[in-house]
Amino acid sequence: GQQVMQIPQYQHVQEGEDFTTYCNSSTTLSNIQWYKQRPGGHPVFLIQLVKSGEVKKQKRLTFQFGEAKKNSSLHITATQTTDVGTYFCAGETETSGSRLTFGEGTQLTVNP
Amino acid sequence: DTGVSQDPRHKITKRGQNVTFRCDPISEHNRLYWYRQTLGQGPEFLTYFQNEAQLEKSRLLSDRFSAERPKGSFSTLEIQRTEQGDSAMYLCASSLDRRHYGYTFGSGTRLTVV
Repeated sequence: GQQVMQIPQYQHVQEGEDFTTYCNSSTTLSNIQWYKQRPGGHPVFLIQLVKSGEVKKQKRLTFQFGEAKKNSSLHITATQTTDVGTYFCAGETETSGSRLTFGEGTQLTVNP
Repeated sequence: DTGVSQDPRHKITKRGQNVTFRCDPISEHNRLYWYRQTLGQGPEFLTYFQNEAQLEKSRLLSDRFSAERPKGSFSTLEIQRTEQGDSAMYLCASSLDRRHYGYTFGSGTRLTVV
């Protein structure tokens, strides 16, 4: 079945440093979504990427979808303590219906 | 509309007991999903409804699990004869009936089986 892998599993940064998490799928995706889950909270939708090679920005966050639509990345510039949480990618395929397959997430810790 | 509501927030039950969870989605969302999440893992798909129809069910879902969505509004997830391995956060999410649309998750029900 479809697998979605994320690296790294954990990332500790000093406030102001940049952060990147990478997502790889075993199968070609129709779209990829990114979610953020704060400690003790639930996943919150950040963005969706659909087109090959697509790049989207949300303030300090930059999201990319690979040309082959099998990988994606999330980059945060100049991290802040409010960025703390676990970032999940989640992918759909053309045959998965509306099922999203989530990666295991990257847990980000920001030291002030 | 206050988003997706789940009840209860926490449930502690003895092994072998039955439990039922409720989810109230965003009113205009006709897609509803149940996921399960254990510590340090991403959400794992359980089942999906479009309106009242259960369209997909994970192979991981044993016969002890059943979900309903009568009238296409709220949904219930029942676990019969609970086992310690059922301990997890059960998340409900809803979305519009449109491909490539993000989910809105509820706060979840944390189940502990003792």
